Amino acid sequence: GAVVSQHPSRVICKSGTSVKIECRSLDFQATTMFWYRQFPKQSLMLMATSNEGSKATYEQGVEKDKFLINHASLTLSTLTVTSAHPEDSSFYICSAPRRVYNEQFFGPGTRLTVL
Amino acid sequence: DAKTTQPNSMESNEEEPVHLPCNHSTISGTDYIHWYRQLPSQGPEYVIHGLTSNVNNRMASLAIAEDRKSSTLILHRATLRDAAVYYCILQINSGGSNYKLTFGKGTLLTVNP
Repeated sequence: GAVVSQHPSRVICKSGTSVKIECRSLDFQATTMFWYRQFPKQSLMLMATSNEGSKATYEQGVEKDKFLINHASLTLSTLTVTSAHPEDSSFYICSAPRRVYNEQFFGPGTRLTVL
Repeated sequence: DAKTTQPNSMESNEEEPVHLPCNHSTISGTDYIHWYRQLPSQGPEYVIHGLTSNVNNRMASLAIAEDRKSSTLILHRATLRDAAVYYCILQINSGGSNYKLTFGKGTLLTVNP
């Protein structure tokens, strides 16, 4: 079946540094991908829609200059958390829709810890 | 966005059927009903989706009320691996972003051995 991968699965960084998270669709092309954030004991919160070849669309309240999204190819989207702070520590999850089947495939998530 | 209402939690015994309810009284005619589930520390997993008719797949069945204002996800024989948070989501059919999913709080299913 379709698979979406994320890398890294876990990252620990110092406050003030930037962290890049990759999301790949492994056996299908995705012109659109989605980025979510999930805090402990909470539901997934959609952060932005990543669009291949154009700018990402951010949800209300999400800082586009802090969470940089690049959708460089039909199988790769990246999320860069710039100048990370401890409050950015969270579980970041990407997803890609496979339109023919009207399903979304989610990555396994990236656990970010900012010290 | 159209909203869904689910119980916070439910319990089941292993090998018994589980019926997970979802209310979506503000659903519009073109909105799909999706179910996803999330195991701890993992990304969500697609379970099933439907529009008007009941649907079956290898994981579950989806029963949709005639007025479409509610639906029920049915796990025919719960196993310990089915313990997860189950999300009922309306996929708003609205042009370019019609694959966007908005997650609610979901139902935490506990399966007892």
